[in-house]
Amino acid sequence: AQSVTQPDARVTVSEGASLQLRCKYSYSATPYLFWYVQYPRQGLQLLLKYYSGDPVVQGVNSFEAEFSKSNSSFHLQKASVHWSDSAVYFCALSRRGSALGRLHFGAGTQLIVIP
Amino acid sequence: EAAVTQSPRNKVAVTGGKVTLSCNQTNNHNNMYWYRQDTGHGLRLIHYSYGAGSTEKGDIPDGYKASRPSQENFSLILELATPSQTSVYFCASGLGLGGSQNTLYFGAGTRLSVL
Repeated sequence: AQSVTQPDARVTVSEGASLQLRCKYSYSATPYLFWYVQYPRQGLQLLLKYYSGDPVVQGVNSFEAEFSKSNSSFHLQKASVHWSDSAVYFCALSRRGSALGRLHFGAGTQLIVIP
Repeated sequence: EAAVTQSPRNKVAVTGGKVTLSCNQTNNHNNMYWYRQDTGHGLRLIHYSYGAGSTEKGDIPDGYKASRPSQENFSLILELATPSQTSVYFCASGLGLGGSQNTLYFGAGTRLSVL
């Protein structure tokens, strides 16, 4: 079985501050890992994904995430947030070699950026 | 960028009525998925499909049916809608078979209220 845990339901930061959104996964092998963002009344958009190689992956809008096999984590980071980053962020996992290709999602973290 | 279009965007239904949610994708993806989003649960998989004519049950299929008449179209059907099915529904598509590392592309969502 596999699962994704996002321990923080809501994170509030000031504009210009750094950000880390946490994601822990449970899976017996190395999965594909994703971060998606959902802006109000919109669908999910891919921010970045990890599938192999360098554990630090770069995404859109200066987001990056670091994969840690030893910690079973895939935390999302940004050096300086903007008010427009306010959204809900989802961490997701997919099993390698699966024809289904489904994603297992965490519950999401709502990010509130205070101007 | 993959294009996934859902209709309607908003729907109000009566308890016991039939509801059909439609999804169209224009990128010739093999796999399509229906998820529902509820606060605290993230996205949960209802039904999925590997291609035209196929439908499979996901994690929470009770009360839902699905139909994939063509590569492009995937519908979610609520034969007897209940208030517990009030939610936001997302359709997604993906190459499947590990293509693009199982990246999924999402529609904008359908907000369903069952009164």
